[in-house]
Amino acid sequence: GEDVEQSLFLSVREGDSSVINCTYTDSSSTYLYWYKQEPGAGLQLLTYIFSNMDMKQDQRLTVLLNKKDKHLSLRIADTQTGDSAIYFCAEGNQAGTALIFGKGTTLSVSS
Amino acid sequence: DAGVTQSPTHLIKTRGQQVTLRCSPKSGHDTVSWYQQALGQGPQFIFQYYEEEERQRGNFPDRFSGHQFPNYSSELNVNALLLGDSALYLCASSSGTVRETQYFGPGTRLLVL
Repeated sequence: GEDVEQSLFLSVREGDSSVINCTYTDSSSTYLYWYKQEPGAGLQLLTYIFSNMDMKQDQRLTVLLNKKDKHLSLRIADTQTGDSAIYFCAEGNQAGTALIFGKGTTLSVSS
Repeated sequence: DAGVTQSPTHLIKTRGQQVTLRCSPKSGHDTVSWYQQALGQGPQFIFQYYEEEERQRGNFPDRFSGHQFPNYSSELNVNALLLGDSALYLCASSSGTVRETQYFGPGTRLLVL
């Protein structure tokens, strides 16, 4: 079945780069997503990558996709304290209707 | 351009009661999906509505039901509430051929006592 795995916690210093990793199971997913959730809030769509791409860059965010290993990563350059949040990796289900989420990676940025 | 809106923001109910949550999709979107996010977990898909019909359903009991109106807004109803239904309920909207690219509202936090 469909499943998404993420490491649960990452701690970095302000100004460093953060790399959040994710593995997924459904190779038929058309898109893969990264969402950000701040305390007590809903989910903000950060970026997404089409499954036939290897990399996508959007300002401080870089998404890398290794389709062979079913591995997705999100790199945040020059991490700021405002980047502290929970980051969710998600894949679309086979029907292209629902998103399957990981449990989220809590990013803690210290100054 | 208003994003996805949800009401109410918070709700407290007791076991056995019924609850209705509401969602208005982002302008231009015609598809609404509902998710349940328990504390410390990722969101879990409940169901999706398109053209006023339930298009797909996740692994949730029949106590969870929904509706979509002609203006694309949607309701989530939960009957016979259990303590385990306490969660953040998220609504997401999407449109076009890539309906899985979904934009989320702020959620309704439900506490069942």
